[in-house]
This record gives sequence, C-alpha cells and structure tokens, in this order.
Amino acid sequence: SQQGEEDPQALSIQEGENATMNCSYKTSINNLQWYRQNSGRGLVHLILIRSNEREKHSGRLRVTLDTSKKSSSLLITASRAADTASYFCATVRGYSTLTFGKGTMLLVSP
Amino acid sequence: NAGVTQTPKFQVLKTGQSMTLQCAQDMNHEYMSWYRQDPGMGLRLIHYSVGAGITDQGEVPNGYNVSRSTTEDFPLRLLSAAPSQTSVYFCASSYSLGQGNYGYTFGSGTRLTVV
Repeated sequence: SQQGEEDPQALSIQEGENATMNCSYKTSINNLQWYRQNSGRGLVHLILIRSNEREKHSGRLRVTLDTSKKSSSLLITASRAADTASYFCATVRGYSTLTFGKGTMLLVSP
Repeated sequence: NAGVTQTPKFQVLKTGQSMTLQCAQDMNHEYMSWYRQDPGMGLRLIHYSVGAGITDQGEVPNGYNVSRSTTEDFPLRLLSAAPSQTSVYFCASSYSLGQGNYGYTFGSGTRLTVV
C-alpha cells in the first residue's frame, strides 16, 4: 500500500503564483522526501526533511513537516512554466527503500 | 560519473516472453532497488538489495526475479511477461546519510509494453 497521499491530485496556476502541495502519511518516518518528475522522465530529488526538522528551504522550495499530524507540504514560490511536472512525496520504508504517494500534477501556465 | 544507467529505454514483449532489465550504478552505493510506475500512480517497490548477495521482496514482487552478484549491477528479470506488467520501471541506488537517512539516485527508466 502507498504510504503517502498527495493533495491535490492536480493543480493549475499562472506563472508567478505560488503552488502548495500537501502530503499525508501513515506510519512513523525517519525522513520525508519530495521528488519531481517531468512527463515521461525519471525522478529528480528535490529536498529531504528529517523527522526532527520542521521546515526546510532550497531555492524557491519550502518544505514543512508536522510529525504530529503525519503531514508535509511543499511550497513552490514564484512558479515558472518549467515547474510544470508531477510532484511526489516519499517516505523511507526500512532498508533505504522509498514508499511513494500518487503525486500531484502541477501545470503552470505562462 | 554516469550515475544509474538503465537499459533498454524501451521494450515491447509478447505475452509469455522473458527478458532482463539491466541496471548499473558506478557510485559504489550499497543499496539498490527496482520500482514500477503505472499511469496516475506513484512508484511501487518490486525488489531491493542491501548489498551484494542480498535481495528481498518489496510491495509487488510477483512475476519478477532479481540477483545482486556485484555492487554495481542489479538486473530485474521478467520470467513470463504478462500484459499487467506493462509499466515504466525505475532502478534506484541509495547510500546511507546516517541516522536512518538515505540519499537516492534514480535511473531514467525503462518503458515496457507487453502485448
């Protein structure tokens, strides 16, 4: 079964706007990761947040983690058309394997 | 430094055929794993390996075999292909960052169609 569930399933915004995606998970974790996947391509690791961290920034990305609610959010600020992709959260499931959610499909229109 | 290399990129099989999807990494990563991705879904774990000679099943292992004779290579074998195995397959390697945290590198995927 899939550990993470992203919300919303699809998001359509204009360039320059902020995009927020949420992820909920079921069991305790060591860390939570966000990945981007462009259409027909492989996954690109965006950011990792450890269970003892509450917020992390990387460029235009801001990730928060609330372990009490078993949820995380990914904020992309000042979005660009090139940010159009699917975004997945993933949690570590023992022995370094990942459990993925179904993803949020983000469309950024010029 | 090529990272994780998957071959082939595309493959069409007939039902009942067997084949091997290749995965190689040149980063000396200890851990390797195979995932499949179906339309509208996240990735699901098929098999994984924590080191040469050690493999274990993931979430959806049926119909697939793996072996890990070297650190670098982790091939995935389809024993008798079925249309339900039509999917995109991703190989990943990972390394420990300590304290239960891992860094991951994914291959670019193999798109498999079984007719």
